[in-house]
Parts: sequence; structure tokens; C-alpha cells
Amino acid sequence: GESVGLHLPTLSVQEGDNSIINCAYSNSASDYFIWYKQESGKGPQFIIDIRSNMDKRQGQRVTVLLNKTVKHLSLQIAATQPGDSAVYFCAETYTGRRALTFGSGTRLQVQP
Amino acid sequence: EAGVAQSPRYKIIEKRQSVAFWCNPISGHATLYWYQQILGQGPKLLIQFQNNGVVDDSQLPKDRFSAERLKGVDSTLKIQPAKLEDSAVYLCASSLVVGASGGAVYNEQFFGPGTRLTVL
Repeated sequence: GESVGLHLPTLSVQEGDNSIINCAYSNSASDYFIWYKQESGKGPQFIIDIRSNMDKRQGQRVTVLLNKTVKHLSLQIAATQPGDSAVYFCAETYTGRRALTFGSGTRLQVQP
Repeated sequence: EAGVAQSPRYKIIEKRQSVAFWCNPISGHATLYWYQQILGQGPKLLIQFQNNGVVDDSQLPKDRFSAERLKGVDSTLKIQPAKLEDSAVYLCASSLVVGASGGAVYNEQFFGPGTRLTVL
């Protein structure tokens, strides 16, 4: 589903710490999930994806966890860097649709 | 590889005026999407094209919004007349074509920088 509101939830972490960003989705039919990073003035940038037949997928410094039972997705960023500061969105879709439904976003602030 | 290009980057108009946005997708990408992103929210799909045909326009306010992709490459999105609530960033994205059966294969969407529209 979609979220409303002018104020994004914010996660503030210290440089070098691990970050965990959470997302809840609503469509039980969704079978493909993506995390996007959006910096100010730019379009969303692909970070990592996961299919519904997986529970965990790792990339470079990032890990996505999927819990289909509770319709929950999380993005873990290891050793967070100042360059990771951005708004992070989860997105979902299902076989045959292709277009994405985005979550409400979380702003990550990395303190040096 | 060049990314998705959009223009203009910024546009300020008064309500009831008309405005048009342009998008040039990545070369070879048959699928093109227009999303609307209101401040503080995630992008919302307005319309999806595959080549020059519309795949999904269920969330497009057709009384004022229109879009076309006549030659299956560039696309334009138009708003006429604009309302205050149309103030948003309009994002264009493109992706490769998935198999004709629409099976469980997904191609990454690449987004342009967006056009920030302010309606006064």
C-alpha cells in the first residue's frame, strides 16, 4: 500500500555503524522486491533485489532480508559511510506486472 | 551507457496552465514508465508503455494528464490544466522487455533525474 505524510522517518547512525532500514508491504501476491536509494535531486538508484523464493540476499555491504509471513523487508548496510546518506525506498511487484509499487521511504543520515 | 534523460529539470507554472515533460529512455529499452513523486512519498506509477503501446494507465488522471510514445522511443507527459496538487517530481524510468509470457523474470528499471514541477 501507499504511505502518506510530508515527513519521512529518519534513521541517524554514526559512520562505521551498521544500519537497518525496514519496510512493510501489503500485497500478498508480490514476488519481487527491490531496494532503491534516492539522493537529493536524483532519481532512485537500484541497490539490491530479492525474489520471494529467497529469505536473504547479500551484495557488497548490503543485505536484504525477506519475511513473507509478516510481509516485511529489511535492508542492512554494513559499515555505513557518509555517502550512504539518502532516502531509501523499498518497492514491490509481481509476476506479469513489472511496474513497481513503492513504500514510503526512510531517510538515512550518517554522522561523521 | 547513457542514462535516462529528462527535460526540463524544473518547471514553475500557475494553476490552470499546461505543461509538458519529455523523456528519452536508455537505448534499446522497450518499456517506459512515468512516475509521480510527491514530496515525502515514494514514486507512484502513472503510466507504463511497452514500445508505443500503453500497458497500464490505471492510475493516470485522464481528465488532465496524457502521455504518448509515438515511435516507441521518446515519450512526453502532459498536464492540462494543472492543479496545485500536481506539484511533484515526475520521474521517467525504462527497462528491457521481459519475456512475452511475462514470466518470473524482471528487468531493472533505470530512473532519470526527474522534472520538479511547482504549480502556484
